[in-house]
Amino acid sequence: NAGVTQTPKFQVLKTGQSMTLQCAQDMNHEYMSWYRQDPGMGLRLIHYSVGAGITDQGEVPNGYNVSRSTTEDFPLRLLSAAPSQTSVYFCASRMWGPGTGELFFGEGSRLTVL
Amino acid sequence: KNEVEQSPQNLTAQEGEFITINCSYSVGISALHWLQQHPGGGIVSLFMLSSGKKKHGRLIATINIQEKHSSLHITASHPRDSAVYICAVSRNEKLTFGTGTRLTIIP
Repeated sequence: NAGVTQTPKFQVLKTGQSMTLQCAQDMNHEYMSWYRQDPGMGLRLIHYSVGAGITDQGEVPNGYNVSRSTTEDFPLRLLSAAPSQTSVYFCASRMWGPGTGELFFGEGSRLTVL
Repeated sequence: KNEVEQSPQNLTAQEGEFITINCSYSVGISALHWLQQHPGGGIVSLFMLSSGKKKHGRLIATINIQEKHSSLHITASHPRDSAVYICAVSRNEKLTFGTGTRLTIIP
């Protein structure tokens, strides 16, 4: 099994450009989530999904869109990138259920917005 | 005040020492996770706890739900244990993370 696969690993954007961070998992996990990690701060939840067709906002959702058309994929879209979105992004998945299941993380995507 | 507080923020120890990292939280939770992040960024899950104690190799994690506190212990520490250890609490399908403890083990 590949686990959780994130692409791209590195990306440089100009302010106002759009892009999609891809996240795929092959463990049939219902729960998938996106986080950003900034220096001096803990990981923060951007959006999450508990199954195909179901998404919800986390702590810092502004400027990001998500969709969940399949169990396997959970892309994160930046419609108009801003320098404040410079960060390292992680996708994670687990079995669904309140607090249940080990978390599996992707390797991270380092995004720089100029 | 953050919902999840970790201490210490930084810890340097000699190889072989017993290590304790603490995590306190302020809300009711359904589970607590301990994660490890090595330089270079990958994050690995070490434990998920909802009560009691778990052990895996040289790592032990405990949680006291009444006191809203968890500890991660490393016995016989080794330089390869050098990493950032992150506590995260799960509540209503959302995770809230501590800022991490940077552990350095000196040979």
